[in-house]
Amino acid sequence: DIQVTQSPSSLSASVGDRVTLTCRASQSIDHYLNWYQQKPGKAPDLLIFTASDLESGVPSRFSGSGSGTDFTLTISSLQPEDSAIYFCQQSYSAPFNFGQGTKLEIE
Amino acid sequence: QVQLQESGPRLVKPSETVSLTCFVSGDSFFKSPYYWTWIRQVPGQGLEWIGSVYYRDSTAYNPSLKGRVSISMDPSESQLSLKLSSVTAADTAMYYCVRAQPEGLFHRWGQGTLVTVSS
Repeated sequence: DIQVTQSPSSLSASVGDRVTLTCRASQSIDHYLNWYQQKPGKAPDLLIFTASDLESGVPSRFSGSGSGTDFTLTISSLQPEDSAIYFCQQSYSAPFNFGQGTKLEIE
Repeated sequence: QVQLQESGPRLVKPSETVSLTCFVSGDSFFKSPYYWTWIRQVPGQGLEWIGSVYYRDSTAYNPSLKGRVSISMDPSESQLSLKLSSVTAADTAMYYCVRAQPEGLFHRWGQGTLVTVSS
């Protein structure tokens, strides 16, 4: 199975900050890495797919990059509504494992 | 647009089989080339892919569930089903019905249904 590890596990930042979250796969997954945002009491929402493609309706301040084993999710200018848990997930091969999540809080 | 609504028992006893249903609306359930998927989340923890069904009879499951899981679809009722047998407290989780295309890309989620395993 391919494992994915996120860092940091939690992060606190201010409105307007540039924030970068990291995800590492246990083996090369090409560009098959997706990012989800989950707010309290809600199901996850897809943000970024295949490493860098923005899901329809997602604000352009979100971007993704990476390939192989190392990936990042960047929020260019943090907004109050970005407070959430962010999960990465590999879609290279089943079972389609998720990272443990990064909890992003707004200071 | 597609909407997914999960339903099922909220409390299940250990060793029993839990059966969950997902009603799919706003989509041509039978004809659509999607992978109809179940994902679960232990409260306060991460997400686990349980498995999926494609075009009614092609299924894939997470080996971690050791053969306890079965996923099926009933196009006539626009329903997706999940059966998980021999449940333990470790199966207590929020269970989500999800539409995926391709198989590992989870575009559309239901709101989830919480299942608690307890005697």
